[in-house]
Amino acid sequence: KQEVTQIPAALSVPEGENLVLNCSFTDSAIYNLQWFRQDPGKGLTSLLLIQSSQREQTSGRLNASLDKSSGRSTLYIAASQPGDSATYLCAVRNRDDKIIFGKGTRLHILP
Amino acid sequence: GAVVSQHPSWVICKSGTSVKIECRSLDFQATTMFWYRQFPKQSLMLMATSNEGSKATYEQGVEKDKFLINHASLTLSTLTVTSAHPEDSSFYICSARVRRGGAYEETQYFGPGTRLLVL
Repeated sequence: KQEVTQIPAALSVPEGENLVLNCSFTDSAIYNLQWFRQDPGKGLTSLLLIQSSQREQTSGRLNASLDKSSGRSTLYIAASQPGDSATYLCAVRNRDDKIIFGKGTRLHILP
Repeated sequence: GAVVSQHPSWVICKSGTSVKIECRSLDFQATTMFWYRQFPKQSLMLMATSNEGSKATYEQGVEKDKFLINHASLTLSTLTVTSAHPEDSSFYICSARVRRGGAYEETQYFGPGTRLLVL
């Protein structure tokens, strides 16, 4: 059974710092991995999707990496801003097409 | 990108009543939709997979008689929480797989969610 773990559960950093969020998964037989952002009481915003054959994806200040063999992914946020404060969810799509989510990392950027 | 809407965005109801949540794909055909539930500070948990024109497939531990799913058209799936109780209070999110030209795209698109509070 696929399990997705995100570390840390919560993180507070001063504005302007670079930071890394971690995600690990137990079953490496995945189609893809996706990072989402969720603001309080809101739905999901897709940030980056990495196919199983890819190593990383970049969008603006965000960079996501994938090491499928070790079951790990990282989301790197450069030059953090207060507007980046949110919960970041990692999700993997299994071979059975089900998407399994981690519990998320609650990020707070201090002005 | 593809847009998925949900209605209502939030609902408060009395214990014992039934609540229907709609999930619509606005600009694409969604032969498969997924329903998730999220409790406070928890992750999204898949409840069921809904295929147009057929019965939904429920995840282990999800009561199919309590959470009725209907996917009657290529753009609409509904989740009905029957005889709702306070423990059913949660954030319900749907998602849809995009099918264009006979092939599935990789990305699932998520709705904005429906917050249910059962008193």
